Amino acid sequence: QVQLQESGPGLVKPSETLSLTCSVSGASISSHYWSWIRQPPGKGLEWIGYINSSGSTNKNPSLKSRVSMSIDTSQNHFSLKLTSVTAADTAVYFCTRIARDSFEIWGQGTMVTVSS
Amino acid sequence: QSVLTQPPSVSGAPGQRVTISCTGSSFNIGAGYGVHWYQQLPGAAPKLLIYGDSNRPSGVPDRFSGAKSGTSASLAITGLQADDEADYYCQSYDNSLSASAVFGGGTKLTVL
Repeated sequence: QVQLQESGPGLVKPSETLSLTCSVSGASISSHYWSWIRQPPGKGLEWIGYINSSGSTNKNPSLKSRVSMSIDTSQNHFSLKLTSVTAADTAVYFCTRIARDSFEIWGQGTMVTVSS
Repeated sequence: QSVLTQPPSVSGAPGQRVTISCTGSSFNIGAGYGVHWYQQLPGAAPKLLIYGDSNRPSGVPDRFSGAKSGTSASLAITGLQADDEADYYCQSYDNSLSASAVFGGGTKLTVL
């Protein structure tokens, strides 16, 4: 059974960098594409970007300048960095596995609050 | 403002049938990209309900069905049950946004 688990600080100061890792178990990260999605409190879903095992990425144009993603096949995890955060970046962040162009499997999500 | 448009809310009585619409454009749904649907129960992560317009992942009851026509798609739920009460999101991709994934704003289903 494939499982995804997000980890990282729950509180980030404004202007600093948000860093999250998604650990994958039950499957090799070398197959499929992997993605990050976020959901501000009480709002809808926003796609952040995806990465494949070769490190190729595609990012939401609205976040592209602040987003970087990486993948570590030896550790079977992938990561997200979002720079220069503001209160608008406060959200639950989900990592997902992409299959047949859909977000097939989701992590439970991790709440990140941007506040001083 | 979401790229894909969904009604904010729908409701129905137990046993009834409801549909949720998802309207896009020639840049996304109309461009031939598949439409996928997700169910998000309160306090939980979204769960894939329908992929590729009308396909159900293993374990999803056949009470849930999807369809697509032109620049729109729809999710139908028959035999409504209390535990169907959730938020539902449609998702596709958009040519005008460098093939970015795009979501609808979500629809809250209330079972009366």
